[in-house]
Amino acid sequence: DAGVTQSPTHLIKTRGQQVTLRCSPKSGHDTVSWYQQALGQGPQFIFQYYEEEERQRGNFPDRFSGHQFPNYSSELNVNALLLGDSALYLCASSSRLAWGWHTDTQYFGPGTRLTVL
Amino acid sequence: GQQVMQIPQYQHVQEGEDFTTYCNSSTTLSNIQWYKQRPGGHPVFLIQLVKSGEVKKQKRLTFQFGEAKKNSSLHITATQTTDVGTYFCAGPHDYKLSFGAGTTVTVRA
Repeated sequence: DAGVTQSPTHLIKTRGQQVTLRCSPKSGHDTVSWYQQALGQGPQFIFQYYEEEERQRGNFPDRFSGHQFPNYSSELNVNALLLGDSALYLCASSSRLAWGWHTDTQYFGPGTRLTVL
Repeated sequence: GQQVMQIPQYQHVQEGEDFTTYCNSSTTLSNIQWYKQRPGGHPVFLIQLVKSGEVKKQKRLTFQFGEAKKNSSLHITATQTTDVGTYFCAGPHDYKLSFGAGTTVTVRA
């Protein structure tokens, strides 16, 4: 049973460039959330996708956008990169079927380490 | 907006000793989750607490949810080198999971 996978593992970009990160959720999961984790900080919620639509969004600018595909995999796009975008980007999957009153457990992928020079 | 705060930020522990890390929310939570992130790794789910005053144990780890459902604690007994890492608590607000800044644990052998 494959867990959450992310690609690439590491990425180096320069300011102003654009980047696309990819995520495949854990088998059986249909909801994907993206988080940004700066060094020494906890993960910060970027947005969540379910049924190919953005359902919830954190306090991130429009430079951050995403997409979910019919197979539940997802992409995170960041335009006009800034130095401050350097961070570990984590994808987490969960099952919306178990949503209900409780937030479901997040299964995190290994992350993509983005460095902006 | 909701904030989840954790103290202490760093915990240096002698191997074999006990310690506790605390998590506080500015609002009442429907549940609280704890995650552990090893150095260079990603957060891994440990446990979820739902009921007021709930206490759950995982071997040497004891998790507690406050009566008011605004705070939580993680107590580790007889700390081992395998306990090294950062422990995060996280609480939901409007279907968004809000993480604390974490408590980073180092162990002296």
